[in-house]
Amino acid sequence: QVQLQESGPGLVKATETLSLTCTVSGASTNTYYWSWIRQPPGKGLEWIGRIQYSGSTTYNPSLRSRVTISMDTSKNQFFLKLSSVTAADTATYYCGRRQWQGLVDIWGQGALVTVSS
Amino acid sequence: SYVLTQPPSVSVAPGKTATITCGGNNIGSKSVHWYQQKPGQAPIPVVYDDSDRPSGIPERFSGSNSGNTATLTISRVEVGDEADYYCQVWDSSSDYREVFGGGTKLTVL
Repeated sequence: QVQLQESGPGLVKATETLSLTCTVSGASTNTYYWSWIRQPPGKGLEWIGRIQYSGSTTYNPSLRSRVTISMDTSKNQFFLKLSSVTAADTATYYCGRRQWQGLVDIWGQGALVTVSS
Repeated sequence: SYVLTQPPSVSVAPGKTATITCGGNNIGSKSVHWYQQKPGQAPIPVVYDDSDRPSGIPERFSGSNSGNTATLTISRVEVGDEADYYCQVWDSSSDYREVFGGGTKLTVL
């Protein structure tokens, strides 16, 4: 059974960098693509970006200047860094396994990150 | 950038059929996925590649996609189907991003 678990600070100060880790169990990060998606409170889903098992990344153009996704296949983890955060970055952040044609078939439970001023 | 448009809300009585649309330019040429999200939970896929169902999803959930509109249909709606539903595509025609619709709140009256 494939499971994903987000972890990281739940509170980040404005202008600092948000950092999250997604730990994968039951599957190898040496295969598939792996995605980050976020959801501001009471709002819809926003795709942040994805990383391929080769390390190749694709980002949402609206966040590209501030986002870095990386991975450590030896630990079966992938990571999200979002720099220069503001209150608008307050959201639940989900990691997921991306399948063919963009389907995210497995999601983590989500991690709420609040940006404080 | 590619935009997906969903109605903010749909209401239906138990036992009836709910239809949720997802509009996009020539969306019929793309594979559409649908997710269900209940309060406090992560989304789960209920239809993928326009009309396929993941294992464990009831046959009551079905999908179609043609022209500029994709549709999620829920037959014999149950109270437990009340949730937010999101459509999603992979925009391979431009910058290869994933795109989500704004979501539809399904209320079971």
